Amino acid sequence: SQTIHQWPATLVQPVGSPLSLECTVEGTSNPNLYWYRQAAGRGLQLLFYSVGIGQISSEVPQNLSASRPQDRQFILSSKKLLLSDSGFYLCAWTLGGGYTQYFGPGTRLTVL
Amino acid sequence: ILNVEQSPQSLHVQEGDSTNFTCSFPSSNFYALHWYRWETAKSPEALFVMTLNGDEKKKGRISATLNTKEGYSYLYIKGSQPEDSATYLCAFYNNAGNMLTFGGGTRLMVKP
Repeated sequence: SQTIHQWPATLVQPVGSPLSLECTVEGTSNPNLYWYRQAAGRGLQLLFYSVGIGQISSEVPQNLSASRPQDRQFILSSKKLLLSDSGFYLCAWTLGGGYTQYFGPGTRLTVL
Repeated sequence: ILNVEQSPQSLHVQEGDSTNFTCSFPSSNFYALHWYRWETAKSPEALFVMTLNGDEKKKGRISATLNTKEGYSYLYIKGSQPEDSATYLCAFYNNAGNMLTFGGGTRLMVKP
């Protein structure tokens, strides 16, 4: 069966510090991968999605970036965090051609 | 930009009450409509996927209906229980891309 992992579960970072959140999927090949964010009091916002290694589409211009160095690995990064980057970050996957997304456990990021 | 709206934003009910909430989505280029249940500190869990106009889905005390021509879906909970307390998200998938567009969610709180 497929599982999706995210780490860390929680993170507290100062403004201006770098960020790296990792997501890995097991038990499947060639998944589509997604990064979402939920800011306080807001809905789920799609940040990035990827249909293959090295292929990243950005939905929202911001100081975040994403990379997919391996088929089942998706990384969210920032060189300098802003206060507005605080939120709950979710990684999700779906099989290409499928549309039900399966979510990871999430990372709670607090930028102080 | 696809507009997916949910109402109400939040709802407080007593244990045993039945309740329902709405998801509105674009009626053009429809492909699928999802409902997710999102408990605090957990990842969203898929409840239903509906693809056909007039679809009705049921899972225990929770059911959903779909009207693709007018662009809405209802989620019903019969005899609410405290464990039903969660945020209920709908997500629209159109036939033009690889992405789900989420509504802002309805936060349900069931008081014992």
